[in-house]
Amino acid sequence: KAGVTQTPRYLIKTRGQQVTLSCSPISGHRSVSWYQQTPGQGLQFLFEYFSETQRNKGNFPGRFSGRQFSNSRSEMNVSTLELGDSALYLCASSPRVAGGSGANVLTFGAGSRLTVL
Amino acid sequence: DQQVKQNSPSLSVQEGRISILNCDYTNSMFDYFLWYKKYPAEGPTFLISISSIKDKNEDGRFTVFLNKSAKHLSLHIVPSQPGDSAVYFCAASGMTNAGKSTFGDGTTLTVKP
Repeated sequence: KAGVTQTPRYLIKTRGQQVTLSCSPISGHRSVSWYQQTPGQGLQFLFEYFSETQRNKGNFPGRFSGRQFSNSRSEMNVSTLELGDSALYLCASSPRVAGGSGANVLTFGAGSRLTVL
Repeated sequence: DQQVKQNSPSLSVQEGRISILNCDYTNSMFDYFLWYKKYPAEGPTFLISISSIKDKNEDGRFTVFLNKSAKHLSLHIVPSQPGDSAVYFCAASGMTNAGKSTFGDGTTLTVKP
């Protein structure tokens, strides 16, 4: 089956602009999470969506937002871009939220690499 | 406060030998611990996991050990192969928060032929 698809793969923006990233999860996966990876850093959790509702939110400013559609596809938006927002943004999907074998395994997309100039 | 730590940024081993990657955590509420492998220009891929009620899980060349009292887990790769060269991330999550995993900073493993 198709994996997690993220678009665009690469993009360059300037400070002050806004950006929207898209993620299509694995078919049947209802949970979509977003992570930010900066050079030398681990993955920092941004937010998680399940059934079109934000379930969890990481410690990021309000400039970072997201949403999930009825088909489980998700988008994240970053407004008023700053140089420090340059990073690899990873989307991950999982089959369900609560318990059970495999429920805690995330399947990641290849990421969207954002460069802010 | 970093709840999941990988104190070794890099590790280099010879092909055929054992690779041991370590991870420490501080939150005793974590229920699952996972290892992911990441190649350049790709997203992380799941490698192996362990539930907090177990102390060992094995899958082929990969074994994960969990020491709850020490809040420490390790990934053993035996024998190591050049194709194992990648960044390895340790992650932890709760029973009902599958999507919110807490990751370490990663360890870059290099396996020399």
